[in-house]
Amino acid sequence: GVTQSPTHLIKTRGQQVTLRCSSQSGHNTVSWYQQALGQGPQFIFQYYREEENGRGNFPPRFSGLQFPNDSSELNVNALELDDSALYLCASSSPGQGRDGELFFGEGSRLTVL
Amino acid sequence: GDSVTQMEGPVTLSEEACLTINCTYTATGYPSLFWYVQYPGEGLQLLLKATKADDKGSNKGFEATYRKETTSFHLEKGSVQVSDSAVYFCALRGRSGSQGNLIFGKGTKLSVKP
Repeated sequence: GVTQSPTHLIKTRGQQVTLRCSSQSGHNTVSWYQQALGQGPQFIFQYYREEENGRGNFPPRFSGLQFPNDSSELNVNALELDDSALYLCASSSPGQGRDGELFFGEGSRLTVL
Repeated sequence: GDSVTQMEGPVTLSEEACLTINCTYTATGYPSLFWYVQYPGEGLQLLLKATKADDKGSNKGFEATYRKETTSFHLEKGSVQVSDSAVYFCALRGRSGSQGNLIFGKGTKLSVKP
């Protein structure tokens, strides 16, 4: 399945954070979502074959990387209090993705103080 | 822009009761529609989907019909079980969106009591 680390972390405003995701084997597309408390997940961006190929309404301080070994990272610079949320990683193969089937991890809960 | 509105929770039902969770959407063109479910301690997983008007998605006893005229995709089950307790999310993908770009509603928490 899809695994994410760390599961919980606490940062202070202005710091930087890196969240990691290991996709399901054979999946070459990974998406990242932000889920604020009481809200649905919001699309941050998508990576396909190590390149960003879709982005939601998030500023450039949200960036990502995708590696050839089915792993990926979400980096957030200059953390703000509103960045406190659950960050979800989702992977898919081309066929499954076209059908809307994304495979989600359990998420990394970030708290910014 | 595209959006999804689903009924607020939490919803508490007794076992074998009927379930309806309302979902309406706003989108240009003909989006694909989905219901995702999150069981306690697990990641979101696809429950069912419909890609065109009048399609009915079904899985695990749950059904939802893509209604273009009312822009709705309500989730229904005739007899819920305790194991159905979870958070349910309605979602859409617009025709111009990348495959990983889903727009979710806020989620509805369902608790089923024995």
